[in-house]
Amino acid sequence: NAGVTQTPKFQVLKTGQSMTLQCAQDMNHNSMYWYRQDPGMGLRLIYYSASEGTTDKGEVPNGYNVSRLNKREFSLRLESAAPSQTSVYFCASSEGGPTDTQYFGPGTRLTVL
Amino acid sequence: AQSVAQPEDQVNVAEGNPLTVKCTYSVSGNPYLFWYVQYPNRGLQFLLKYITGDNLVKGSYGFEAEFNKSQTSFHLKKPSALVSDSALYFCAVRFALIYNQGGKLIFGQGTELSVKP
Repeated sequence: NAGVTQTPKFQVLKTGQSMTLQCAQDMNHNSMYWYRQDPGMGLRLIYYSASEGTTDKGEVPNGYNVSRLNKREFSLRLESAAPSQTSVYFCASSEGGPTDTQYFGPGTRLTVL
Repeated sequence: AQSVAQPEDQVNVAEGNPLTVKCTYSVSGNPYLFWYVQYPNRGLQFLLKYITGDNLVKGSYGFEAEFNKSQTSFHLKKPSALVSDSALYFCAVRFALIYNQGGKLIFGQGTELSVKP
């Protein structure tokens, strides 16, 4: 049982390049989330998927798109990377109810030059 | 607006002493409260949560937290700190009123705990 896995672990992009961050969970969770972590700002929600087939914007969605490929997988795409998107990105999943715990992946450290 | 605050960027404690990491929230409904810990270059690990019932919640690694509704606080505590407790701690809140929004969490900015031998 691997929990939540993310690929890649590290990535360096040039401004304007695109890339997709992959996330998968093996806990049969309904809900999945993408966060970014910046120093002194905690974690901010980018997008989430309450259930398979649905996605919604979070607090900081600009510059990102997501795809809930199936119940297990939730990808985050940067179409044209900008230096402001330099951050650590975390994927999380949960059963989906208000009292449920979110479980986090190990993160992807992204640098945009 | 709903929010959560961790008023201390850093907390320094000597090993063996009790530790407290503070968290307060602003709410327009009943909150569900969580604590997570992040070790360097790792993801967040769940420590404990308050849903309802007893205001004192016990969690992993000897940590506990006390929910105080009148002070809108949920401080994390441990009776005797270990050097290995040094990490970044996050408080998070989810409000029952937004149940239908996929269980979104709102995080505090984090508190760096340093435990010295």
